[in-house]
Amino acid sequence: GENVEQHPSTLSVQEGDSAVIKCTYSDSASNYFPWYKQELGKGPQLIIDIRSNVGEKKDQRIAVTLNKTAKHFSLHITETQPEDSAVYFCAARAYYGQNFVFGPGTRLSVLP
Amino acid sequence: DAGVTQSPTHLIKTRGQHVTLRCSPISGHKSVSWYQQVLGQGPQFIFQYYEKEERGRGNFPDRFSARQFPNYSSELNVNALLLGDSALYLCASSGGGATDTQYFGPGTRLTVL
Repeated sequence: GENVEQHPSTLSVQEGDSAVIKCTYSDSASNYFPWYKQELGKGPQLIIDIRSNVGEKKDQRIAVTLNKTAKHFSLHITETQPEDSAVYFCAARAYYGQNFVFGPGTRLSVLP
Repeated sequence: DAGVTQSPTHLIKTRGQHVTLRCSPISGHKSVSWYQQVLGQGPQFIFQYYEKEERGRGNFPDRFSARQFPNYSSELNVNALLLGDSALYLCASSGGGATDTQYFGPGTRLTVL
């Protein structure tokens, strides 16, 4: 089955700097990759997603890149702000109807 | 429109008891998935239902069961609770169509003593 690894497990950046979180997946059939942000005491919130037919997607300060050959995808956050501090999860799904497999999470701290 | 709602918010049970967790999906969504999230880990898939039929089941014991009702709301039942069942239980709703993007509720925090 699918296995998703995520690095780093913790990340601290200064406010205004960029943050990058990388995930690798094992199933070459995976074709949909969402990213979720989870704040303390809340459920995961979808922040951006990408499908296997595109290599990059951007939404304001957040971008995701996908390298299907290497089987990895990354989350890029620019101009970080204190409210970006949270745990971020990547996930992968092989086909419509299959369940999502999540990475173990990255705790991002943005220091003022 | 309201997002995914879950009840109760918190629950404390003792070993051996039974628990029922409830979820209402986003209006118009026909698919509900359940996940278990142990502290410090990513969500682990338990069940997915679409149009009241079980579509998928994760690697969880038979003590875990679920069902989906005609209004697309769902219940997760756990029997014979163990200490290790303590976790945040998340419900995710999706349209069930080709995009299948999942949106999560706030979760139910279950503590087993």
